[in-house]
Amino acid sequence: DAGVIQSPRHEVTEMGQEVTLRCKPISGHNSLFWYRQTMMRGLELLIYFNNNVPIDDSGMPEDRFSAKMPNASFSTLKIQPSEPRDSAVYFCASSLAVGRGRDEKLFFGSGTQLSVL
Amino acid sequence: QKEVEQNSGPLSVPEGAIASLNCTYSDRVSQSFFWYRQYSGKSPELIMSIYSNGDKEDGRFTAQLNKASQYVSLLIRDSQPSDSATYLCAGRGSARQLTFGSGTQLTVLP
Repeated sequence: DAGVIQSPRHEVTEMGQEVTLRCKPISGHNSLFWYRQTMMRGLELLIYFNNNVPIDDSGMPEDRFSAKMPNASFSTLKIQPSEPRDSAVYFCASSLAVGRGRDEKLFFGSGTQLSVL
Repeated sequence: QKEVEQNSGPLSVPEGAIASLNCTYSDRVSQSFFWYRQYSGKSPELIMSIYSNGDKEDGRFTAQLNKASQYVSLLIRDSQPSDSATYLCAGRGSARQLTFGSGTQLTVLP
């Protein structure tokens, strides 16, 4: 299995530009999570999907952020317009939710290092 | 209280020693727990999961869970320089998402 695949690995953009991050979860996994990691705030959950449906987006910082999952094998996280404070590493993760989900394990992609100048 | 709290470290141990990493949690994330290892510039990698009181061993790693005291720990025996990384504790409550601690940076000195 190729694991969770994210693209691009690095993104450098100017303030005000639109940024789109992409994720392909592990085949067969039914849940997908977007996390953001910074030195100051650590790993923060932005949004997660179950069976392609957004379940909890309470971590999305503001309306500039949006996420979609049009099918089981693809998700995007979009920032429009981008700001310097959005600079962080954005991780996508997927899991297979079974039953109570107590032992449900999360597998992370390699991340996208975003720099907004 | 934060939902998952860790000592940020840094923690340094000599090669061959036991490294002990600790984490406390709130009632909201009390169902199951996970330890992830993250090398610099890399993504978090799952090491162990635990959801029952007591110890769970996997090779050189032992996870310990004490629900009465609300703490979970990770012991690394015979520490190696390759174990040098940031270790993230994560907890799950009734909601399915994981909540992560801020991580403890471990350095194993040759």
